[in-house]
Amino acid sequence: NAGVTQTPKFQVLKTGQSMTLQCAQDMNHEYMSWYRQDPGMGLRLIHYSVGAGITDQGEVPNGYNVSRSTTEDFPLRLLSAAPSQTSVYFCASSRDRPGNEQFFGPGTRLTVL
Amino acid sequence: AQSVAQPEDQVNVAEGNPLTVKCTYSVSGNPYLFWYVQYPNRGLQFLLKYITGDNLVKGSYGFEAEFNKSQTSFHLKKPSALVSDSALYFCAVRDETGGSYIPTFGRGTSLIVHP
Repeated sequence: NAGVTQTPKFQVLKTGQSMTLQCAQDMNHEYMSWYRQDPGMGLRLIHYSVGAGITDQGEVPNGYNVSRSTTEDFPLRLLSAAPSQTSVYFCASSRDRPGNEQFFGPGTRLTVL
Repeated sequence: AQSVAQPEDQVNVAEGNPLTVKCTYSVSGNPYLFWYVQYPNRGLQFLLKYITGDNLVKGSYGFEAEFNKSQTSFHLKKPSALVSDSALYFCAVRDETGGSYIPTFGRGTSLIVHP
């Protein structure tokens, strides 16, 4: 089992550019989530999914889109990057509800200039 | 509404001494409580959780946590700290009664274990 994988590990964007952060899990987990981690802020939930075809907003969804076409994949899209989106992004999955024990990916460090 | 507080940004302890990382929470109903650890440049790893049952929960790497309903606390403890325990620790809570899917994480506490 690879667990939760994320690509890329590092990314630098210019303001206004778009990109997709990839997340995949091979544990057949129904629930997947995207978080951002900022210094002194802990983790904040961006979007989550309770199964293929079902997504919902978290605490800080603005500027991000998600889709869930398969159980394995849960990409996060930045349509027009802003400096405020500079952060470390983590994808997580869980067998049960997203609020229960979660397995986290290694993270993507994004810098928006 | 649910919230969690980690009152200490940093905890320093000598190797071999007991350690405590504090967490308090607020929920309207029944809490599900979690501790995660994050090593540098890594994702979070699950340590332990409280859902119901015994107030003392044992987890990975010798860590344990005590659920105290009257004080709304869930402090993380270890009898004898190791230098390798140095990391960032996050407490999280979810209000199970409210049916929310969304957990709330604390801001994290940096644990530094000195040789």
